[in-house]
Amino acid sequence: DQQVKQNSPSLSVQEGRISILNCDYTNSMFDYFLWYKKYPAEGPTFLISISSIKDKNEDGRFTVFLNKSAKHLSLHIVPSQPGDSAVYFCAASASTNAGKSTFGDGTTLTVKP
Amino acid sequence: EPEVTQTPSHQVTQMGQEVILRCVPISNHLYFYWYRQILGQKVEFLVSFYNNEISEKSEIFDDQFSVERPDGSNFTLKIRSTKLEDSAMYFCASRKAGTPYEQYFGPGTRLTVT
Repeated sequence: DQQVKQNSPSLSVQEGRISILNCDYTNSMFDYFLWYKKYPAEGPTFLISISSIKDKNEDGRFTVFLNKSAKHLSLHIVPSQPGDSAVYFCAASASTNAGKSTFGDGTTLTVKP
Repeated sequence: EPEVTQTPSHQVTQMGQEVILRCVPISNHLYFYWYRQILGQKVEFLVSFYNNEISEKSEIFDDQFSVERPDGSNFTLKIRSTKLEDSAMYFCASRKAGTPYEQYFGPGTRLTVT
């Protein structure tokens, strides 16, 4: 039972354009959602998060949108830069489980110059 | 900027041997986690640790696994009798109290069981 799903294993965009990474979840208990970025041979790095009481959170070039009724969130990167090329993991947490994060499979983003 | 550190970066061991993976979380953090990532697969939760005890563990974290915070700075993961399928990257993470779940990850230890 995969509670957090990232259905696109890879995404390729041109530098300067928008990157949209999607994530779906099934567990209604999740109330906090996070995006992590991971480069090869490194640990995941926290990027941006959103609480379930919000539907949007913005930080510079990164915006996360949450649609609770659809159990769907997305990460928008505008404008995309070659340095954004990495694996992006969506993660979800519930207040009741000590902050444990359930991760999606990841989406490999490639930004072409 | 404070960071989570892990040692060793790569550990090779024979099947059936015990291994201890070490982590030094960020000093004012109170919640500690171990995750693993088998090559080509997703990051999987193993265990969370708070107030000197396990707060949650996954089905992966069976009796062969244990965690300890022996001295207030280190956080260790022990695998008593390694199996081939334990080969993976193991990530330690920590977060401070009150932070809404943003975890800081170490660089990982690559465990290879032969």
